[in-house]
Amino acid sequence: DGGITQSPKYLFRKEGQNVTLSCEQNLNHDAMYWYRQDPGQGLRLIYYSQIVNDFQKGDIAEGYSVSREKKESFPLTVTSAQKNPTAFYLCASSIQTVSNQPQHFGDGTRLSIL
Amino acid sequence: ILNVEQSPQSLHVQEGDSTNFTCSFPSSNFYALHWYRWETAKSPEALFVMTLNGDEKKKGRISATLNTKEGYSYLYIKGSQPEDSATYLCASNNYGQNFVFGPGTRLSVLP
Repeated sequence: DGGITQSPKYLFRKEGQNVTLSCEQNLNHDAMYWYRQDPGQGLRLIYYSQIVNDFQKGDIAEGYSVSREKKESFPLTVTSAQKNPTAFYLCASSIQTVSNQPQHFGDGTRLSIL
Repeated sequence: ILNVEQSPQSLHVQEGDSTNFTCSFPSSNFYALHWYRWETAKSPEALFVMTLNGDEKKKGRISATLNTKEGYSYLYIKGSQPEDSATYLCASNNYGQNFVFGPGTRLSVLP
């Protein structure tokens, strides 16, 4: 079945440590996204990629980095510069960034600080 | 940055009641409005994508309408069931912008 796979489901970060969240899709979608959700808030866009080897900052990119070396993969690194990383992270993909087709989401990664 | 708003923030209804929520979005450069249902411990699931003013979509007991001129969409649930309990998200897709999600409406259907 086609879909989006995020791993791990739960992740713990020590102070000063970088951690990478994985996102893989086999839907042949060009666009991929990373969102962050905090309690009581909606989804906020961290980074997005319209095509391989291209990515753009979203609304809350500070303290995060991404790469898009393959169409299927869009990993997110939470760096030590992100002072409040505890949140739920969702990866999504769509055919294009402007589309009448919906986004498809992974199951999410919950990141906590040790 | 677009501002997409949803109301109410949360809602409790009795099983069998019908209910509706609102999503408001900027109408300039509008392309599409998306509705998603997000159940606890699952990923958001697409319900509807609407593009034309006056669009109405239906899926079982759930339906949605779209007014692109005034920038709002309604989601209706007829005869709510406990399995309808979820957070309902809307997202606006405008030219020159990415998907912008509203904060969601959390629905609890009490048996």
